[in-house]
Amino acid sequence: GQQLNQSPQSMFIQEGEDVSMNCTSSSIFNTWLWYKQDPGEGPVLLIALYKAGELTSNGRLTAQFGITRKDSFLNISASIPSDVGIYFCAGRLDAGGTSYGKLTFGQGTILTVHP
Amino acid sequence: KAGVTQTPRYLIKTRGQQVTLSCSPISGHRSVSWYQQTPGQGLQFLFEYFSETQRNKGNFPGRFSGRQFSNSRSEMNVSTLELGDSALYLCASSVLPRGGNYGYTFGSGTRLTVV
Repeated sequence: GQQLNQSPQSMFIQEGEDVSMNCTSSSIFNTWLWYKQDPGEGPVLLIALYKAGELTSNGRLTAQFGITRKDSFLNISASIPSDVGIYFCAGRLDAGGTSYGKLTFGQGTILTVHP
Repeated sequence: KAGVTQTPRYLIKTRGQQVTLSCSPISGHRSVSWYQQTPGQGLQFLFEYFSETQRNKGNFPGRFSGRQFSNSRSEMNVSTLELGDSALYLCASSVLPRGGNYGYTFGSGTRLTVV
């Protein structure tokens, strides 16, 4: 099925470092969402973006909705061990029809933080 | 405030059997979506329900079906199970159809293993 192109696939960083990951799509989206998933659990919403160009922060997390509406990035500053997990981007196109309500997910970025 | 509740958490079924998974959304949430998560395909949209009506359906065979009750609880059914149906099935609820401006809240999922 259709997926967003999320990169990098995995990251190994030291505690305290900053992290950056991004998603690109050949299609435009009206909403970009960033989720984190821990083992054995469902994804947890981190940040939601609703306007092209929007820059939103949630604590140490910052995400931006690309101007072209085809990309988004997530930054994590001063990483800590509990940041470990899989991060997913997801796009939604509220155009009705076959795209109604459907989230399209990236493949995920596996983040490992070494103390 | 209780989150999205999915039951059962784990399930083992034999090829050819059918299975029913249950999802209770957050109180007040009327939209329920279902996703399949596998290592190979990632998170794939199955369907979305709002007010007991299916609003959208992903690219899955007719063996996958669902329904929503008047209290917004939802069930999904998979008939004639195949080995490839082994996956984590995630349910997500939101206040409005298409997620509104609050994103989707996911449950912890049901881990289905088909043997």
